[in-house]
Amino acid sequence: DAGVIQSPRHEVTEMGQEVTLRCKPISGHNSLFWYRQTMMRGLELLIYFNNNVPIDDSGMPEDRFSAKMPNASFSTLKIQPSEPRDSAVYFCASNRRIRDRGFTGELFFGEGSRLTVL
Amino acid sequence: EDQVTQSPEALRLQEGESSSLNCSYTVSGLRGLFWYRQDPGKGPEFLFTLYSAGEEKEKERLKATLTKKESFLHITAPKPEDSATYLCAVQAPGRRALTFGSGTRLQVQP
Repeated sequence: DAGVIQSPRHEVTEMGQEVTLRCKPISGHNSLFWYRQTMMRGLELLIYFNNNVPIDDSGMPEDRFSAKMPNASFSTLKIQPSEPRDSAVYFCASNRRIRDRGFTGELFFGEGSRLTVL
Repeated sequence: EDQVTQSPEALRLQEGESSSLNCSYTVSGLRGLFWYRQDPGKGPEFLFTLYSAGEEKEKERLKATLTKKESFLHITAPKPEDSATYLCAVQAPGRRALTFGSGTRLQVQP
């Protein structure tokens, strides 16, 4: 399996521009998570989906952030308009239900999208 | 609110010098505690799951243990390839997402 695939790996943009980050989860995984990592705050959950439905978006900073999962193999995280404080590494992760054990905490992470907003 | 505190922030060891990393947590009804390893420029990689106090898991030079308030990641005779950031995370009942600590940056010098 190719693992979780994220794009772009690096994005440099100017304040006010729209940014779209993309994620392809592992085939067969039905939970998808978006995390943000900064030196100051570490890994923070932004939102997660189960079976393509958003379950918990309490970590989304504000209305400038939105996430979608139109099907089981694709998700986007959009920031519009972007601000310098959004600079971070954005990770997508997925996991699956294991028979008789439910969902475990074994998340499979992509390599991240490093966003720099000037 | 779930909280995870890791110490130390950074640790430098000589090759072969054993040590332990600490993870203290506050969560109502722990569903699971997890250890991940993160290499520079990469996403976190799963290491262990611990479910109940007294449980231990081992993998090569790493051993994770769990009490009711904290977890330890013991590193025995580390090698330079063990250098990474080690992240601890907790999962509360009814939540699928994990709450992560800020990590311990481990550097093992040859």
